[in-house]
Amino acid sequence: EIVLTQSPGTLSLSPGERATLSCRASQSVSSSYLAWYQQKPGQAPRLLIYASSNRATGIPDRFSGSGSGTDFTLTISRLEPEDFAVYYCQQYGSSPPMCTFGQGTKLEIK
Amino acid sequence: QVQLVESGGGLVKPGGSLRLSCAASGFTFSDYYMTWIRQAPGKGLEWVSYISSSGSTIYYSDSVKGRFTISRDNAKNSLYLQMNSLRAEDTAVYYCARDRRDGYNRLDYWGQGTLVTVSS
Repeated sequence: EIVLTQSPGTLSLSPGERATLSCRASQSVSSSYLAWYQQKPGQAPRLLIYASSNRATGIPDRFSGSGSGTDFTLTISRLEPEDFAVYYCQQYGSSPPMCTFGQGTKLEIK
Repeated sequence: QVQLVESGGGLVKPGGSLRLSCAASGFTFSDYYMTWIRQAPGKGLEWVSYISSSGSTIYYSDSVKGRFTISRDNAKNSLYLQMNSLRAEDTAVYYCARDRRDGYNRLDYWGQGTLVTVSS
């Protein structure tokens, strides 16, 4: 089973700053099957990025994803107040064909 | 618009059973895989199970295998999760999500979740 490790656990930044969130896999992951989600308190998660770098419908272009193999990154170019939330990466494995989530990165206002 | 509405959560004693439902609307339900994900209080997301569009392919996480059963009724646009032999560690908000697989897999729509509490 592939394990996803996100870092840092908590990231403290100010609005207007750039955020870089990391997701590292225990073995190689297909870029087609790596996604990022945002979750705000009391809400369901929302899809941000799929296939490592494709923005989901309605997601602002300040959100971008990159990476391949075992290292993936979510970047928020200029933080808006509504971006402070918890972010999860997720992958679909092929053998076994199961899904796993990273433990999450909390992005908080400094 | 796509809507997913979970129901069936509640308080149940250890060893008990519960059946969750997820009513789907706004898309052709029978065209999509569907997935259950849970989130224990204050914790991260945990994938639970998925089912293919026809129901012929099903997978479970090791933590629920043998106790939970996922199913769907495409005529009723509904997804289900039968949960048996419940344990305290199954306490969580359970989300259903549309599992889009068009070469790029992702969970593109989520319900609001239903809370399951396992306690004596």
